[in-house]
Amino acid sequence: NAGVTQTPKFQVLKTGQSMTLQCAQDMNHEYMSWYRQDPGMGLRLIHYSVGAGITDQGEVPNGYNVSRSTTEDFPLRLLSAAPSQTSVYFCASSYLAGGTDTQYFGPGTRLTVL
Amino acid sequence: AQSVTQPDIHITVSEGASLELRCNYSYGATPYLFWYVQSPGQGLQLLLKYFSGDTLVQGIKGFEAEFKRSQSSFNLRKPSVHWSDAAEYFCAVAASGGSYIPTFGRGTSLIVHP
Repeated sequence: NAGVTQTPKFQVLKTGQSMTLQCAQDMNHEYMSWYRQDPGMGLRLIHYSVGAGITDQGEVPNGYNVSRSTTEDFPLRLLSAAPSQTSVYFCASSYLAGGTDTQYFGPGTRLTVL
Repeated sequence: AQSVTQPDIHITVSEGASLELRCNYSYGATPYLFWYVQSPGQGLQLLLKYFSGDTLVQGIKGFEAEFKRSQSSFNLRKPSVHWSDAAEYFCAVAASGGSYIPTFGRGTSLIVHP
């Protein structure tokens, strides 16, 4: 049981490049979320999903896309990277809605946009 | 919408001393409350949570927290801190009615002196 896995661990992009951050969980959780963590800002919700085929926006969705074709995977796409997207990104999953259940977090992806 | 405040950005304690980390929330009804811990370079791990019932909640690693409705607080405590407790601590709150999306505080960094 690997829990929540994220790849890559580190990534450097140039402004305007696109990329996908991968997230997978093997706990059969319906709820999955993407957060970004910036110094002094805590965690801010980017997008979340309540099940395969269903996604919704969080607090800071601009510049990011998500899809949920399977229960296990929830990739986050940066369409045209900007320096403001330099951050640490965490994926989380839970059996019930994230605010009513324990969320399990991945180890994070540290992204730098030059 | 709910909000959460962690007034202390940094807390420094000596090993063996007691610890209290503060968390204040804003929400009209009884919220769902969480404390998560983040060790350096790691994802977040749940310490404890409160949904209802006994207002004193026991968690992992010897931590406890007390829900005080009159003060809108959910402070985290530990009677004797170990050097391994040095980490970032996040309080989170979710509305008990609605989308159940949690809001995280900005975090408190705990420094433990030997």
